[in-house]
Amino acid sequence: DGGITQSPKYLFRKEGQNVTLSCEQNLNHDAMYWYRQDPGQGLRLIYYSQIVNDFQKGDIAEGYSVSREKKESFPLTVTSAQKNPTAFYLCASGQFISSGNTIYFGEGSWLTVV
Amino acid sequence: AQSVTQLDSHVSVSEGTPVLLRCNYSSSYSPSLFWYVQHPNKGLQLLLKYTSAATLVKGINGFEAEFKKSETSFHLTKPSAHMSDAAEYFCVVSEDGGATNKLIFGTGTLLAVQP
Repeated sequence: DGGITQSPKYLFRKEGQNVTLSCEQNLNHDAMYWYRQDPGQGLRLIYYSQIVNDFQKGDIAEGYSVSREKKESFPLTVTSAQKNPTAFYLCASGQFISSGNTIYFGEGSWLTVV
Repeated sequence: AQSVTQLDSHVSVSEGTPVLLRCNYSSSYSPSLFWYVQHPNKGLQLLLKYTSAATLVKGINGFEAEFKKSETSFHLTKPSAHMSDAAEYFCVVSEDGGATNKLIFGTGTLLAVQP
C-alpha cells in the first residue's frame, strides 16, 4: 500500500535523552515535513525538506534536528535541548503540482517525557 | 503573512442535521485552501481543497466548501451529519500560494454529533 509510515506510535523518553522518530514514504514525493501538535494549538511546523540533502527550519525548530539522505526517509531527532517535548508528532509528504500542492499525513507518533 | 482563523473551537449537532464549520483566511496571494479531518490519535486526512478552479468544492464523505473571496471565507458544510463525522477539523491555507509547500493550520474545530 502507498502511504506514509511513522514509527514508533508511542515513545517514552527520559530527561536528557535524544530520541529519533522515523518517517518513511513510498509515494515518491519530493517534499517532506514534520509537525508538532499540542492540544488547542493546531499544528506547528518543525522542519521541512523540499529535496534530498536539503531541509529548512520551520517555526519551532529549536531542540530538533532532521536529515534527508534518501527521498523516502525524513527522520526527526528530538534532542535533550527541547524543553517540552511531550506532544503528538506528525510527518507529512507532498508533491509540487501546478494546481496547488496537497500534503498527506502519517498516523502520528506520541512522545512522552518520563 | 498568511493566516487562518477557525471561528468555533467546538460545534455540536444532532445526527441528521446540517453541519457548518467556519473558516476565515488572510492571504496576500491567490491562496490554496484545504480542509483536513483528524480522528482521535490518528493522522490528518484530506477532505477537500480549493486551488482557484470552481469556487464550490466537493470533498469526500459528503462534505463541501465554498470559497468566497469577498468574505475571505472557506466554510465547510455537510447537509446531514453522521455519527462517524465526529472528529476534529482543520482549515489550512497554503503559504505563498503553494510555492513553498508550507501550510498554515487553523487551531481546529471539534465536531460532536449527538444521537
